[in-house]
Amino acid sequence: GAVVSQHPSRVICKSGTSVKIECRSLDFQATTMFWYRQFPKKSLMLMATSNEGSKATYEQGVEKDKFLINHASLTLSTLTVTSAHPEDSSFYICSARGYPSGSISYNEQFFGPGTRLTVL
Amino acid sequence: KNEVEQSPQNLTAQEGEFITINCSYSVGISALHWLQQHPGGGIVSLFMLSSGKKKHGRLIATINIQEKHSSLHITASHPRDSAVYICAVKETSGSRLTFGEGTQLTVNP
Repeated sequence: GAVVSQHPSRVICKSGTSVKIECRSLDFQATTMFWYRQFPKKSLMLMATSNEGSKATYEQGVEKDKFLINHASLTLSTLTVTSAHPEDSSFYICSARGYPSGSISYNEQFFGPGTRLTVL
Repeated sequence: KNEVEQSPQNLTAQEGEFITINCSYSVGISALHWLQQHPGGGIVSLFMLSSGKKKHGRLIATINIQEKHSSLHITASHPRDSAVYICAVKETSGSRLTFGEGTQLTVNP
């Protein structure tokens, strides 16, 4: 099956700094990428949806100036948490959908391994 | 009421037991996903269904579109199956997934 990678897997940063998380589709072209946030023992919360080459669509309540999303190519999307605060500490997961092909079905969505962010 | 409801929320089984996790939804969907999340967080997509039944190894997923219900079955359960299992649906309209709250499965040796 298709693979989505995230980097870094975990990051610890000081309050006020910015952190960039990369999400890559390794063996397929991702037409749409999704960024989720997950709190302990809770389900995934969609933050934003991005299509290659266009601006991300943010969910209600998600600050677009704080969580900058760039989907510059069909295999890479980045999430930058700007001026991070301790309340931004969370598990961030990206997911991708690709063009239907021999190995990818329409509607099929692949998830990255997640990035655990801790802001001190 | 959540659009996607899973039951049970928690499930403890003995190794070898047959396990069923249920998912009911209230919206029109184009696809239903079963996901597995191990401690440490990584999510693995187990199945994507739009009708009928799929099998992969010891895992079986079924869906009844008319009843808006899906089940995930694990045969001959093993401690390594211990994880959170999440049902997610893609609504007919829109591109997002709507997630259930997850089922925490613990399989004891």
